[in-house]
Amino acid sequence: NAGVTQTPKFRILKIGQSMTLQCTQDMNHNYMYWYRQDPGMGLKLIYYSVGAGITDKGEVPNGYNVSRSTTEDFPLRLELAAPSQTSVYFCASSYSMKPPGELFFGEGSRLTVL
Amino acid sequence: AQSVTQPDIHITVSEGASLELRCNYSYGATPYLFWYVQSPGQGLQLLLKYFSGDTLVQGIKGFEAEFKRSQSSFNLRKPSVHWSDAAEYFCAVVLISGGYNKLIFGAGTRLAVHP
Repeated sequence: NAGVTQTPKFRILKIGQSMTLQCTQDMNHNYMYWYRQDPGMGLKLIYYSVGAGITDKGEVPNGYNVSRSTTEDFPLRLELAAPSQTSVYFCASSYSMKPPGELFFGEGSRLTVL
Repeated sequence: AQSVTQPDIHITVSEGASLELRCNYSYGATPYLFWYVQSPGQGLQLLLKYFSGDTLVQGIKGFEAEFKRSQSSFNLRKPSVHWSDAAEYFCAVVLISGGYNKLIFGAGTRLAVHP
């Protein structure tokens, strides 16, 4: 079982560069999420999606964009990388939101912006 | 606004000792509550969850948690800790926004286990 797969696992960016973090799930989950994790801050929700073609902002969306063209894929794009975006990014998916089901997480993508 | 607080940033226990990790939530109605565990370099894994019913819930790896409405708490417990339990533990509560439910996480408690 692949579950939730994120790529790349590590990336170093220069300020102002752009990149996309890829996320794919093979569980046919409608609900997908992007979180960022900073030391001592827990996980903060960036964006979420309730199905193909439907996305919405979470707690900390500024500087990011998402799209959801298929059920399986939920990429996260950073347009102009800033040092404040140095973090570990987690993609997750779930089968239900009402009530919320278990979230299945990828292994994370560690991004450093210099 | 719904929120969750984990008062302890770091906890160290000896192997075989009992463990309690604290979690307090802020919520107007009956909350949906979760505990997740994160091993080093890994994503998060669900330990247990509470939606309704019995206030003592059992999870995987020998963990349990008790929902106490009067104290707005959902503390995680384990009677005897193993070295493999060293990890970071996150409590989470559901945030209802825009008609959809999303998980809001606490800051986490990092558990170290001494042999």
